[in-house]
Amino acid sequence: DTGVSQDPRHKITKRGQNVTFRCDPISEHNRLYWYRQTLGQGPEFLTYFQNEAQLEKSRLLSDRFSAERPKGSFSTLEIQRTEQGDSAMYLCASSFLRASGTDTQYFGPGTRLTVL
Amino acid sequence: TQLLEQSPQFLSIQEGENLTVYCNSSSVFSSLQWYRQEPGEGPVLLVTVVTGGEVKKLKRLTFQFGDARKDSSLHITAAQTGDTGLYLCAGLRDDKIIFGKGTRLHILP
Repeated sequence: DTGVSQDPRHKITKRGQNVTFRCDPISEHNRLYWYRQTLGQGPEFLTYFQNEAQLEKSRLLSDRFSAERPKGSFSTLEIQRTEQGDSAMYLCASSFLRASGTDTQYFGPGTRLTVL
Repeated sequence: TQLLEQSPQFLSIQEGENLTVYCNSSSVFSSLQWYRQEPGEGPVLLVTVVTGGEVKKLKRLTFQFGDARKDSSLHITAAQTGDTGLYLCAGLRDDKIIFGKGTRLHILP
């Protein structure tokens, strides 16, 4: 078990370009989450999947954002027509929802996006 | 309105001192996690507490979940420079994890 991995670790792009990030969760985990974190703030929820189903999307997730988890394993987060306000750390987390209801999330190292 | 309030926001103390940081809410949580995050990295899980009144110890760190499962505290004994970081609490409620804004801790040598 190598933990949650994210790729790339850093991305610099020009405004208007599209970017895609990848997250590989811990292999036996059925839930996968995407968060955005800006300086001085805690992570803000964007969306999450249970297996391949996208169960919830935050109002923070505008139409320019789309996330997929096609086979219930890795996930991608795409941002189209990036804006400077999209600059942030994008965090992925995975968990295994237990019958007891506990849902402890394990985070990846994040992808730092800078939009110029 | 922030559902989980963490206090203080910033804390700078000398190595060797003791400290307590707090995570408070008016809502009940099924469980609560504490994470530590270093600059440029993702949060790293420290502990999960589930039962009201539960106390867990991790070396010099003591975590307590409030009896009513609405609040939690993290106490560090004899702080070390390696304890420096952002401490985040996160609560599970209605099948959703909610994060506080964190306490930024700086331990001075």
